[in-house]
Amino acid sequence: DIQMTQSPSSLSASVGDRATITCRASQTINKNLNWYQQKPGTAPKLLIYAASSLQSGVPSRFSASGSGTDFTLTISSLQPEDFATYYCQQTYTPPLTFGGGTKVEIK
Amino acid sequence: QVQLAESGGNVVQSGRSLRLSCAASGFTFRSNAMHWVRQAPGKGLEWVAVISYDGSKKYYADPVKGRFTISRDNSKKTLYLQMNSLRAEDTAIYYCARDLWGDSSYGSPALIDWGQGTLVTVSS
Repeated sequence: DIQMTQSPSSLSASVGDRATITCRASQTINKNLNWYQQKPGTAPKLLIYAASSLQSGVPSRFSASGSGTDFTLTISSLQPEDFATYYCQQTYTPPLTFGGGTKVEIK
Repeated sequence: QVQLAESGGNVVQSGRSLRLSCAASGFTFRSNAMHWVRQAPGKGLEWVAVISYDGSKKYYADPVKGRFTISRDNSKKTLYLQMNSLRAEDTAIYYCARDLWGDSSYGSPALIDWGQGTLVTVSS
């Protein structure tokens, strides 16, 4: 199975800051990587698919890049509603494993 | 709008069975692959299973392989997860989710819509 490692596991930042989350796959997954946002008590929400494609309705302050084994999610200017937990997921081959999550907290 | 409504979660003893359902509306159910994803209390997301748009392809996570079965009834617009030989470590909120594609031959999976989840508690 492909293992997905996210870093950091948590980060503390202020409104307006730039936040960057990384995700590393244990083997190459080309561009088969999605990013999700989850707020407490709610279902996850798809932000990015195919490594860099912004899902419809997602603000443009979210962007992502990467291919192969290393991927990055960037929030250009954190807004109050962005404080949440973020997960990457590889979709190269089943099982479609998630990373452990990155909790973005308010400083 | 797209709606996914899970049901069937309950408290069940270890070793017993449970069947979850996910009723879909607001889209052409027979056109999309569907997934189950779970989340243990206070933990991260764990992908469980996927079924293609026509039910011909199914894949499972290793911890549930041989115990869980994913299925769908396109005439009823409903997704199912039959869970047998339940263990304490299966305790979680179970979400159903709609894939962007019918199956992986059309594109890499992306879980574009999610239900609110149903809680399964397995007591020992």
